[in-house]
Amino acid sequence: QQQVKQSPQSLIVQKGGIPIINCAYENTAFDYFPWYQQFPGKGPALLIAIRPDVSEKKEGRFTISFNKSAKQFSLHIMDSQPGDSATYFCAASYIISGATNKLIFGTGTLLAVQP
Amino acid sequence: GAGVSQTPSNKVTEKGKYVELRCDPISGHTALYWYRQSLGQGPEFLIYFQGTGAADDSGLPNDRFFAVRPEGSVSTLKIQRTERGDSAVYLCASSSTGLRPLGLVADTQYFGPGTRLTVL
Repeated sequence: QQQVKQSPQSLIVQKGGIPIINCAYENTAFDYFPWYQQFPGKGPALLIAIRPDVSEKKEGRFTISFNKSAKQFSLHIMDSQPGDSATYFCAASYIISGATNKLIFGTGTLLAVQP
Repeated sequence: GAGVSQTPSNKVTEKGKYVELRCDPISGHTALYWYRQSLGQGPEFLIYFQGTGAADDSGLPNDRFFAVRPEGSVSTLKIQRTERGDSAVYLCASSSTGLRPLGLVADTQYFGPGTRLTVL
């Protein structure tokens, strides 16, 4: 099963709030889980990524929590700002013959941070 | 340029026509990927190049879609006999090597701004 399921579809928070976006996967062969941020008219840009041997990774205001047994991972944005308003995608990939980092993306979460 | 560039930014065509979409990857990147993003959806993998060769074309939806990368740099995605269902944003990404020895983190894919294709 290649699918990565993402929720919620959209999210509105106040400035300073902590939006949380969740993803779940089925394929246990996945071993790389990045999060991408996309602004309108732009391509996705890598925010942060994690491997399944780590339960949490933090970079600046962005934190990934990973639960390998539940096959779930989530993105937390601390002290959210209006400039964080964008669409966020989780993704997953696995090795095919040592190559092919093809990414399987979730359906996206549209985040709006109100001032 | 510093990033991945794609041309044209917008393409409007009529059903049945042929289109070509171009991608200029980051200089020196050997891996190049094409994805398709439909409205309200995440990008969907189409094809991956390692150098000049298509190492994985498992995402191409049918034989109307074809991509080339003859010199290992610029790539062109070609769509024949376009259909309304082909309307989407076509994204190109490149990464340093595309290779990922077991146990190491995948190298980052850098995306271009995309080409918005509209088939009337």
